[in-house]
Amino acid sequence: SQTIHQWPATLVQPVGSPLSLECTVEGTSNPNLYWYRQAAGRGLQLLFYSVGIGQISSEVPQNLSASRPQDRQFILSSKKLLLSDSGFYLCAWQGADNEKLFFGSGTQLSVL
Amino acid sequence: KQEVTQIPAALSVPEGENLVLNCSFTDSAIYNLQWFRQDPGKGLTSLLLIQSSQREQTSGRLNASLDKSSGRSTLYIAASQPGDSATYLCAAGPGFGNEKLTFGTGTRLTIIP
Repeated sequence: SQTIHQWPATLVQPVGSPLSLECTVEGTSNPNLYWYRQAAGRGLQLLFYSVGIGQISSEVPQNLSASRPQDRQFILSSKKLLLSDSGFYLCAWQGADNEKLFFGSGTQLSVL
Repeated sequence: KQEVTQIPAALSVPEGENLVLNCSFTDSAIYNLQWFRQDPGKGLTSLLLIQSSQREQTSGRLNASLDKSSGRSTLYIAASQPGDSATYLCAAGPGFGNEKLTFGTGTRLTIIP
């Protein structure tokens, strides 16, 4: 069966520090991969999506970047975090023949 | 631009009652409509997906309906249980592939024992 791993679960970082969140999927090939951010009291905001290795689409201009170095690995990064980067970050995947979206357990990021 | 609204933001009902959660969307040209459940501090769990050509989907005590013409979807939960307490989100997808999925802000449901 397919599983998705996302880590770390929580992260506290100072302003100006770098960020790297990792997401990996098991049990499937060539998934569509997504990074979402969920701010308190707001809906999920799509940050990046990828349909293949090295293929990244950005939905909103921001301080973050994403990379997909392997088929089932998706990384969210920042060179210098801002206070406004705080939030709950969720990785998700969608199989080629299944339109349902499956989410990881999320990372609560606090930038202080 | 698609907008998805879920009202009310919070709902409390006694255990055992049937209940309906509402989801409204502004652009009826959707490909599918998904319902998710989110427990506090956790990721989202997919509950039901309704294709645009379908009217409803059922899974156990859950039934989701879709009315594209009115821009509405409902999630019906029968015989509610305390374990149903969570935030329920709906999301509208305008095309194959979820890259443009638009989420509502959710309804926080509390089932009172």
